[in-house]
Amino acid sequence: EVQLLESGGGFVQPGGSLRLSCAASGLTFSMYAMTWVRQAPGKGLEWVSSITFSGGDTYYADSVKGRFTISRDSFTKTVYLQLNNLRAEDTAAYYCVKHNGRLIYVGVDLWGQGTLVTVSS
Amino acid sequence: NFMLTQPHSVSESPGKTASISCTRSSGSIASNYVQWFQQRPGSAPTTVIYENYQRPSGVPDRFSGSIDSSSNSASLTISGLRPEDEADYYCQSYDSTDHLVFGGGTRLTVL
Repeated sequence: EVQLLESGGGFVQPGGSLRLSCAASGLTFSMYAMTWVRQAPGKGLEWVSSITFSGGDTYYADSVKGRFTISRDSFTKTVYLQLNNLRAEDTAAYYCVKHNGRLIYVGVDLWGQGTLVTVSS
Repeated sequence: NFMLTQPHSVSESPGKTASISCTRSSGSIASNYVQWFQQRPGSAPTTVIYENYQRPSGVPDRFSGSIDSSSNSASLTISGLRPEDEADYYCQSYDSTDHLVFGGGTRLTVL
């Protein structure tokens, strides 16, 4: 079964850090671009960051640029999102999603179950 | 950049057909793929349509996607509505720098 499984969420104080992981199974991980999407409580979906199949190109929303870093490891079939200098407005469920090809502009066809990040003092 | 505008809510009866629109504010709707995601209450989103009209395996053919260049919009059509189709639906496309753009979401009520 093709699956994405996120982990690493939790409760953190403002200014703190977390590293989210997304483990892929049942697919040839190195063939697909990956993206992180978040959803604040009661709100809509917001794009956070994307990475191409090779990791050679990365993209960030303005709201997280300079604070978040996306990366991937083909050996462990995992994509990561390092969250630094967290703010209250980063509180959200974070979803890992798979694209249908190597680059970002092709369709998103699979979602993980999400991991919750809460930033509060 | 551009915006994707969806109706806030749509209501339809079981067995009928519902359509949800997604209008692009600038640039051609046909210039980038459009995806549609379903999110049931308390659950993660799932893809029901990708690359304008493709269905992932397991999504019934009651779900269909289309693009209309004349109105610069995409549409998700769900036929033979069932109670389990009641959910939030989001459209998504890309801008010229490969950033993902989401619509604000539409609450579909099957009453």
